[in-house]
Amino acid sequence: GENVEQHPSTLSVQEGDSAVIKCTYSDSASNYFPWYKQELGKGPQLIIDIRSNVGEKKDQRIAVTLNKTAKHFSLHITETQPEDSAVYFCAAFPRGTASKLTFGTGTRLQVTL
Amino acid sequence: DSGVTQTPKHLITATGQRVTLRCSPRSGDLSVYWYQQSLDQGLQFLIQYYNGEERAKGNILERFSAQQFPDLHSELNLSSLELGDSALYFCASSDLAGTGTQYFGPGTRLLVL
Repeated sequence: GENVEQHPSTLSVQEGDSAVIKCTYSDSASNYFPWYKQELGKGPQLIIDIRSNVGEKKDQRIAVTLNKTAKHFSLHITETQPEDSAVYFCAAFPRGTASKLTFGTGTRLQVTL
Repeated sequence: DSGVTQTPKHLITATGQRVTLRCSPRSGDLSVYWYQQSLDQGLQFLIQYYNGEERAKGNILERFSAQQFPDLHSELNLSSLELGDSALYFCASSDLAGTGTQYFGPGTRLLVL
């Protein structure tokens, strides 16, 4: 089955700096890669996703890049703000209706003033 | 607010007991997914239902079962509870059986004493 590795497990940046979280996946059949943000006591919230026919996608301060050849994808947050502090999860979804979303282990992002 | 609702928010019970967690998907979504989140295991996929039928299964224990009703709400039944079952249980929904974007509910925090 699919295996997703996520790094780093914790990340501390100063407000205004950029943050980058990286994930690798094992199943070359995976074709959908969402990123979720989870704040304390809440459910994961989808913040951006990318499909395998696209190499990069941007939404305001958030961008995701996908390298299918190397089987890795990354989340980039620019101009970080204190409200960006949360746990971020990447995930991969292999093609097929019986497939399941496999999550990375999460990155705890702390944005300090 | 994702539009996915879960009840109850918190549940405290004893070992050996049985509980039922309830999920209502977003309006129009036919797929419901159940996930378990614990500190040492991260977000683990349990099971998916699509329009009333089981579509995919993950690492769901035999003591756990789920169903999706004609009105598309879903219930996750956990029986013969053990201390290790203490975790956050999330429900997610999507409009497609396959690689549809999944929206998560707020979760049910289960504590087994």
